[in-house]
Amino acid sequence: EAGVAQSPRYKIIEKRQSVAFWCNPISGHATLYWYQQILGQGPKLLIQFQNNGVVDDSQLPKDRFSAERLKGVDSTLKIQPAKLEDSAVYLCASSSRGAGAYEQYFGPGTRLTVT
Amino acid sequence: GEDVEQSLFLSVREGDSSVINCTYTDSSSTYLYWYKQEPGAGLQLLTYIFSNMDMKQDQRLTVLLNKKDKHLSLRIADTQTGDSAIYFCAESIGGYNKLIFGAGTRLAVHP
Repeated sequence: EAGVAQSPRYKIIEKRQSVAFWCNPISGHATLYWYQQILGQGPKLLIQFQNNGVVDDSQLPKDRFSAERLKGVDSTLKIQPAKLEDSAVYLCASSSRGAGAYEQYFGPGTRLTVT
Repeated sequence: GEDVEQSLFLSVREGDSSVINCTYTDSSSTYLYWYKQEPGAGLQLLTYIFSNMDMKQDQRLTVLLNKKDKHLSLRIADTQTGDSAIYFCAESIGGYNKLIFGAGTRLAVHP
């Protein structure tokens, strides 16, 4: 079974530029998550999708961040315009919504550097 | 409030047991998780425990949960150099399993 795929793996941009990250979850997983992991910290949830609907975006800076999950499969996270404090690793995770624990499986992440 | 706390660093000798501790605040957490992160990699799910359990064992890993004190620990038996990584504790909250992570414990294994 293929894991969560993310691209690009690395991105360097200047502040005020825009950037987009892509995520393809594990096949059949209904729930998709985007996390931001700043160096030295644990991941922080930005947005959570259940199929193609948003169930939690309470910590998404909506003035500059946006995300979509068209057709309930892959997802794109965008930052426009970027700030220096957006430098972080952006992790995508997915989980199936079956019985039992909701095990979240993470992709390798996209490391963003804003200069 | 939602908060998960972990000690930042642990150093152990190869072959010894490692114990990583975590405290959380949300008493309604359904599941508690341990993830491992190696340099430049995403998070790997190691194990998890349901909140009505006290202990779970999975090969070299033992998870202990003290729900009264909101304390979770991960014991790694016979620690190897390949276990060197950052270990994250996380609690799930809400019906959609939102995870709140600690800052991670860096485990260093030396010969």
